[in-house]
Amino acid sequence: GEDVEQSLFLSVREGDSSVINCTYTDSSSTYLYWYKQEPGAGLQLLTYIFSNMDMKQDQRLTVLLNKKDKHLSLRIADTQTGDSAIYFCALQRNAGNMLTFGGGTRLMVKP
Amino acid sequence: DAGVIQSPRHEVTEMGQEVTLRCKPISGHDYLFWYRQTMMRGLELLIYFNNNVPIDDSGMPEDRFSAKMPNASFSTLKIQPSEPRDSAVYFCASSFTGGGGAEAFFGQGTRLTVV
Repeated sequence: GEDVEQSLFLSVREGDSSVINCTYTDSSSTYLYWYKQEPGAGLQLLTYIFSNMDMKQDQRLTVLLNKKDKHLSLRIADTQTGDSAIYFCALQRNAGNMLTFGGGTRLMVKP
Repeated sequence: DAGVIQSPRHEVTEMGQEVTLRCKPISGHDYLFWYRQTMMRGLELLIYFNNNVPIDDSGMPEDRFSAKMPNASFSTLKIQPSEPRDSAVYFCASSFTGGGGAEAFFGQGTRLTVV
């Protein structure tokens, strides 16, 4: 089955950039997603990238995909205290709508 | 659309009682997922449906857990009898087949506490 790994925790200072990393094993993934979960809430889609892309930028968010190394990253520029949350990467395979989630990275932003 | 709606938001029950969690997916979505989230095990997929039919229930922990989807707008997850180790946040999510992507929309979750 698919293995999706994320580091558990990341701490940054307000205004710095945050980089959250995700590694996976199944190279057949078509869409790769980043979700954000704030305390007491469900997961909310932040952004996604299609597997034939290397990079996608959306305002403060930059997604990088290295298919050779099976590595996905999310960069948040000018990180704010409101960005403190758990971030999940998720992968979709070719068939079906099932997503495989990583364990989540808890981002703490210090003022 | 109001998004995926789950009820109740919080449930506290005694060990041995039956618990029923409810989910209303987004209208038009043809996939529905039930997840469980705990500190120890993270986010686990329990079961998912496509067009109201259960496709994969391999994540259901044991026979005490059952899920149904009688129609396209409603699903239940039942635990009978409940145990303290079932305490977790249970999420329902739905998605739509089309356009390639499978963005899953999550509900707010039901926080279950079994005492």
